[in-house]
Amino acid sequence: LAKTTQPISMDSYEGQEVNITCSHNNIATNDYITWYQQFPSQGPRFIIQGYKTKVTNEVASLFIPADRKSSTLSLPRVSLSDTAVYYCLVDTGGFKTIFGAGTRLFVKA
Amino acid sequence: EAGVVQSPRYKIIEKKQPVAFWCNPISGHNTLYWYRQNLGQGPELLIRYENEEAVDDSQLPKDRFSAERLKGVDSTLKIQPAELGDSAVYLCASSFAAGLTYEQYFGPGTRLTVT
Repeated sequence: LAKTTQPISMDSYEGQEVNITCSHNNIATNDYITWYQQFPSQGPRFIIQGYKTKVTNEVASLFIPADRKSSTLSLPRVSLSDTAVYYCLVDTGGFKTIFGAGTRLFVKA
Repeated sequence: EAGVVQSPRYKIIEKKQPVAFWCNPISGHNTLYWYRQNLGQGPELLIRYENEEAVDDSQLPKDRFSAERLKGVDSTLKIQPAELGDSAVYLCASSFAAGLTYEQYFGPGTRLTVT
């Protein structure tokens, strides 16, 4: 099972771009990389998922290098409401979903 | 479209008492997950259902925990008897299919406090 390593916490200011990098050295061929966001007293919410190269949606971008041993979630121009915990997961179709401790992002005014 | 519904949202019980949590997944989602989340940690998978079948319950403490998903829709997670260490948030999630790509939709969770 592929484990992930993320920074425990990060600070940023409103309007800045935030990049959170996740390490997953043992990622398997069929594994996808998925990021979730969690606010206090809520369940995690899907942000983005990718397999390789770059994926972009309306809220974030996900950069995955060719070796797929790491990935970077990029949040453009963060606001105070982006303060949350961000989880990086690698697995195949939810068959063995393992959440780590996540990265606590604090966005300051 | 309604999201994943869980009830109750909060539950306080004394140790050794039984407790049950209910989950109604998003309509059409055949995969259902139960997670436990301790304070300051990520969710931990307890059990995964594909329709009515529990296909992964390796992390479910079977001496006191049980789950069922009758008719492949709603699900109930039970603890009997509860212990102090069971205090946590219990999250239910569902997804359309556990294929190579998927997205899990989480409910708000049930916060259990065991005194």
